[in-house]
Amino acid sequence: LAKTTQPISMDSYEGQEVNITCSHNNIATNDYITWYQQFPSQGPRFIIQGYKTKVTNEVASLFIPADRKSSTLSLPRVSLSDTAVYYCLVGVRMDSSYKLIFGSGTRLLVRP
Amino acid sequence: EPEVTQTPSHQVTQMGQEVILRCVPISNHLYFYWYRQILGQKVEFLVSFYNNEISEKSEIFDDQFSVERPDGSNFTLKIRSTKLEDSAMYFCASRETRDTQYFGPGTRLTVL
Repeated sequence: LAKTTQPISMDSYEGQEVNITCSHNNIATNDYITWYQQFPSQGPRFIIQGYKTKVTNEVASLFIPADRKSSTLSLPRVSLSDTAVYYCLVGVRMDSSYKLIFGSGTRLLVRP
Repeated sequence: EPEVTQTPSHQVTQMGQEVILRCVPISNHLYFYWYRQILGQKVEFLVSFYNNEISEKSEIFDDQFSVERPDGSNFTLKIRSTKLEDSAMYFCASRETRDTQYFGPGTRLTVL
């Protein structure tokens, strides 16, 4: 059974670094790992995408180990507006089928 | 900045009725997707569409669902005979050749 798992929730304080890990054991060989942010009643918003090692953009970093069975989203110096649900999205190949699977989502609460 | 748009934002229908959810993907994108999110749950993949045909679909996407790209701009999801359990947010997404999918704001479907 293809599973993409994340911690259910995390708490942090403004200014701290937050690291959210997603486990994706059955990731398809050629697929990217993408992370999204979602606010209530809105569509997922793209944060960052990577294939291997480390990717950094203006809002986050993404760390991917060599086996690619997990990935870690790093948010530097979070603010109150970063309170949201964060999802990883990967393509999973099982037998002959291919599926796009969102992680279970991590609800991040940033406190003042 | 170009974005995916969806209409209507909220659709209320009676059980057994047909609904059509509409999406306008980003104009130069070639790959199109529909996802579903039941209230309080994670986003679930329904179907992907490329070159005027379905490329992948999940087990959720049964015979009551269909997708169409009736013209050069719209991408639709039809549910033929809605059930109570079809109540959810439905998100459209699109991408060009890179793997980043961009999501629309969603349509909230309520089946009574």
